[in-house]
Amino acid sequence: EPEVTQTPSHQVTQMGQEVILRCVPISNHLYFYWYRQILGQKVEFLVSFYNNEISEKSEIFDDQFSVERPDGSNFTLKIRSTKLEDSAMYFCASSVNRGSQETQYFGPGTRLLVL
Amino acid sequence: KNEVEQSPQNLTAQEGEFITINCSYSVGISALHWLQQHPGGGIVSLFMLSSGKKKHGRLIATINIQEKHSSLHITASHPRDSAVYICAGWTNTGNQFYFGTGTSLTVIP
Repeated sequence: EPEVTQTPSHQVTQMGQEVILRCVPISNHLYFYWYRQILGQKVEFLVSFYNNEISEKSEIFDDQFSVERPDGSNFTLKIRSTKLEDSAMYFCASSVNRGSQETQYFGPGTRLLVL
Repeated sequence: KNEVEQSPQNLTAQEGEFITINCSYSVGISALHWLQQHPGGGIVSLFMLSSGKKKHGRLIATINIQEKHSSLHITASHPRDSAVYICAGWTNTGNQFYFGTGTSLTVIP
């Protein structure tokens, strides 16, 4: 069964460094999402992406974040200058179409630790 | 402010028990999703519903749009059901979810 993959599974970085989290969505999916979950807290929506542009973004998704689909398969989340509070699990998800009735398929997550 | 609230936060049950997890929401949503998060962190979509009731195996999800409330039921619970169950409302105006804080379920053999 097709699945969403994410790399790396774990990343440790120094505060102020840039990190890029990578996701490979399911191949026929058109909508892509990033979520984060700070340890012990709820999952939070960051951004949705369609047709090479951001569709929606939350208040969390400020100027230090950016997303890109650099080629036909990868979907990346870049954090430009990491802060301690960026430490979290980051989940990528994809769906065939947009909308409330669509199942989103989640990747296994990347655990980011900022020191 | 939590747009989506779940209860209970933690739940321990004996194997075989009937389990109910509740979700209420204050935002306008077009659909309510139930997700399961495994101990390793992976998230799996269980149900999406905008009205009525859905059943999949031992899992049943219901929603009452007027009361802005949904429930997830697990019949004949099993230790492998141990996970965090999350409800998430898909907003009427926007392509995003509001997530509940999750209910951590432990089923004891």
